[in-house]
Amino acid sequence: GQNIDQPTEMTATEGAIVQINCTYQTSGFNGLFWYQQHAGEAPTFLSYNVLDGLEEKGRFSSFLSRSKGYSYLLLKELQMKDSASYLCAVVDSNYQLIWGAGTKLIIKP
Amino acid sequence: GAVVSQHPSRVICKSGTSVKIECRSLDFQATTMFWYRQFPKKSLMLMATSNEGSKATYEQGVEKDKFLINHASLTLSTLTVTSAHPEDSSFYICSARVGDPYNEQFFGPGTRLTVL
Repeated sequence: GQNIDQPTEMTATEGAIVQINCTYQTSGFNGLFWYQQHAGEAPTFLSYNVLDGLEEKGRFSSFLSRSKGYSYLLLKELQMKDSASYLCAVVDSNYQLIWGAGTKLIIKP
Repeated sequence: GAVVSQHPSRVICKSGTSVKIECRSLDFQATTMFWYRQFPKKSLMLMATSNEGSKATYEQGVEKDKFLINHASLTLSTLTVTSAHPEDSSFYICSARVGDPYNEQFFGPGTRLTVL
């Protein structure tokens, strides 16, 4: 079967750095997305990785290792508004998006 | 960026009635539109994928006669929940994508459906 694993919940302090991990076992791989979702709202796009390595975009960076079936989202200089759920999703060989359950990130002052 | 709207944002209905939810891509033409359902504290569950002018492809376990999807144009898709029951209460989210499956999906703001 296909599986995406993320921690259920993480807590971090304002101004700090947090890394949210995502491991996947899917039938094929055509890229990995990270989305942010605030409570009661729809997800918004953060990043897309299809090649190994680190992609940096402002305070957010996303890393991919295809050989390990692993990705992480790195958030720097955390702000209170970063409190949200972070969803990892993989495009499989049928070009279907397989969604993880999401990681709820709680930021404390 | 691309904007997707959904209407209504909230709806409360009686059991047995039907509810229609509209999803529109406002500033782009969407090749493909998706309908998701999300339960509290759970991830997105894909219900169906629809391409303009063709029948929707439903995920396993999703009743196509209960959740009617119409994708009449490149900017509009509708989801109709027929004969709604309390267990259909959920957060329904649509998304739209242009072109390749590697392209990001743009999500609508979601519709909170409560069936009494």
